[in-house]
Amino acid sequence: NAGVTQTPKFRILKIGQSMTLQCTQDMNHNYMYWYRQDPGMGLKLIYYSVGAGITDKGEVPNGYNVSRSTTEDFPLRLELAAPSQTSVYFCASRRTAYNEQFFGPGTRLTVL
Amino acid sequence: GNSVTQMEGPVTLSEEAFLTINCTYTATGYPSLFWYVQYPGEGLQLLLKATKADDKGSNKGFEATYRKETTSFHLEKGSVQVSDSAVYFCALSEGTGNQFYFGTGTSLTVIP
Repeated sequence: NAGVTQTPKFRILKIGQSMTLQCTQDMNHNYMYWYRQDPGMGLKLIYYSVGAGITDKGEVPNGYNVSRSTTEDFPLRLELAAPSQTSVYFCASRRTAYNEQFFGPGTRLTVL
Repeated sequence: GNSVTQMEGPVTLSEEAFLTINCTYTATGYPSLFWYVQYPGEGLQLLLKATKADDKGSNKGFEATYRKETTSFHLEKGSVQVSDSAVYFCALSEGTGNQFYFGTGTSLTVIP
């Protein structure tokens, strides 16, 4: 099993550009999460999903959108990139009724 | 609301020294508590967890005890190794467990 995979690993965007961060898990987990990690700030939850077709906002959803059309995929969309979105983005998943989250390797995004 | 406060780093220790990383939490109910570890360039991995008061989580020589009376979940290891160098995150989930709250992380460097 590959676990949680994220693409791309690195990306540089110009202000105002858009992009989609991809996240796929092959563990048949119902729950999926997107976090951003800023230096000295820990992880902040952007969006999460409890199953295909169901998404909800976390602590810092502004400027992002998500969709969950399948159990495996949970893409994160940035529509108008801003410098404040420069961060490392982590996707995670977990099984229902289990607390352990499994994290992907992260995407480092820079907006200039 | 829910929050986690960790001792600030960075922490530098000599090999075989004793490690304590403090973590306190604020929660409105009865949270589950976690320690995650992040090695350089990787995503977070679950290190240990405790789901109710007085539970002790342990793994790889690390331990933490869920103390409801002091709202704490301090991480300890009796003898650290160079391979323990990483960033350690304390986290909690509460209620439905849909959302997780992370501390800011504590960077540990162990020198030979």
